[in-house]
Amino acid sequence: KNQVEQSPQSLIILEGKNCTLQCNYTVSPFSNLRWYKQDTGRGPVSLTIMTFSENTKSNGRYTATLDADTKQSSLHITASQLSDSASYICVVSPKNPPDQAGTALIFGKGTTLSVSS
Amino acid sequence: EAGVTQSPTHLIKTRGQQATLRCSPISGHTSVYWYQQALGLGLQFLLWYDEGEERNRGNFPPRFSGRQFPNYSSELNVNALELEDSALYLCASSLKPTSLAQHFGDGTRLSIL
Repeated sequence: KNQVEQSPQSLIILEGKNCTLQCNYTVSPFSNLRWYKQDTGRGPVSLTIMTFSENTKSNGRYTATLDADTKQSSLHITASQLSDSASYICVVSPKNPPDQAGTALIFGKGTTLSVSS
Repeated sequence: EAGVTQSPTHLIKTRGQQATLRCSPISGHTSVYWYQQALGLGLQFLLWYDEGEERNRGNFPPRFSGRQFPNYSSELNVNALELEDSALYLCASSLKPTSLAQHFGDGTRLSIL
């Protein structure tokens, strides 16, 4: 069964510190992996998208890594800010026929990050 | 450029009633996706519309339905509401069906009393 597991479920860190969020998946065959940030009461916003051939992708202070062999991804946040407090969702897209497009996305339950001053 | 807009922001209904949620995609986007985000659960895919046609649906009962209009806006209808339908309903749009990037709206919070 295709699954995406994220850890930890929640995390509290001090402003300015770094942190790493984990994503393990069992989706196969695999097309791409995405990380989204979802602020409370808002829709998810894409941070990074990686295909199976990419190992790392950066977006400012956010760096995602992917190990397709072990089916693991991580999101590293550098020098955290109060505005980083949000839920971070890992999403894996199976390799589907074109007529299914991105509709079989497998979403993790997210990691809730709280950054305190 | 305006993002994906959803209305209403909040909707309160009672069991057995019907709810209609609306979504306007980003200008130029033809594909619209609907998701349910229940408390403590990941997003679950509901429906996908492209060029006015329903292209795929998730594992939800038939009382969840919708349509896409000629201007590519979409509405989601939920009939015979049940308590477990309480959730955040998110709409996303993409430039074309194979686009990797889905842009999300801020959702409609549906509460069933």
